[in-house]
Amino acid sequence: DAGVTQSPTHLIKTRGQQVTLRCSPKSGHDTVSWYQQALGQGPQFIFQYYEEEERQRGNFPDRFSGHQFPNYSSELNVNALLLGDSALYLCASSQDRVSGNTIYFGEGSWLTVV
Amino acid sequence: LAKTTQPISMDSYEGQEVNITCSHNNIATNDYITWYQQFPSQGPRFIIQGYKTKVTNEVASLFIPADRKSSTLSLPRVSLSDTAVYYCLVVEYNFNKFYFGSGTKLNVKP
Repeated sequence: DAGVTQSPTHLIKTRGQQVTLRCSPKSGHDTVSWYQQALGQGPQFIFQYYEEEERQRGNFPDRFSGHQFPNYSSELNVNALLLGDSALYLCASSQDRVSGNTIYFGEGSWLTVV
Repeated sequence: LAKTTQPISMDSYEGQEVNITCSHNNIATNDYITWYQQFPSQGPRFIIQGYKTKVTNEVASLFIPADRKSSTLSLPRVSLSDTAVYYCLVVEYNFNKFYFGSGTKLNVKP
């Protein structure tokens, strides 16, 4: 059983460009959350998707957008990239409304903006 | 959403037992506690989770007192490979929303 998979693992973009990161949740999971982790800091919540809708959002600008597909996979899009967007982007999957269910993380996508 | 407070860093030696305590004073009735381990440039890896009292698995134990305002992760006989950042999370039942604190950087010395 594959866990949470993310792609690409590493990528380099130029300021002003756009990037799309992808996540496939663990089998049986229907909820996907995205996190940004800058070097040396804890992960910061970006948003969460459930039933193909953005259910809640952290303190991130509209340049950060997402999508969830019928198969529960998800994409994170970042437009007009800034140098400060350089970070590890983590995807977490879980099963909605199941008491005590475990949240699993992918290995992340390293984004470098130059 | 309950915030968590952990020590910023801890040092230990190989073979010792390490206890990392996390404070979560505003934990709600249906919230549960989860601990993760993270190595540099990798995603957080699930260690253990619990709701109350004591939980034990093959790698760690989790102690939660009756008031649930804190929890302690216990790692028996640590090795150099346990050097990592450990995060305590309080997970909100309904929407799986949780707060990442700054974590505890554990440094295991030979």
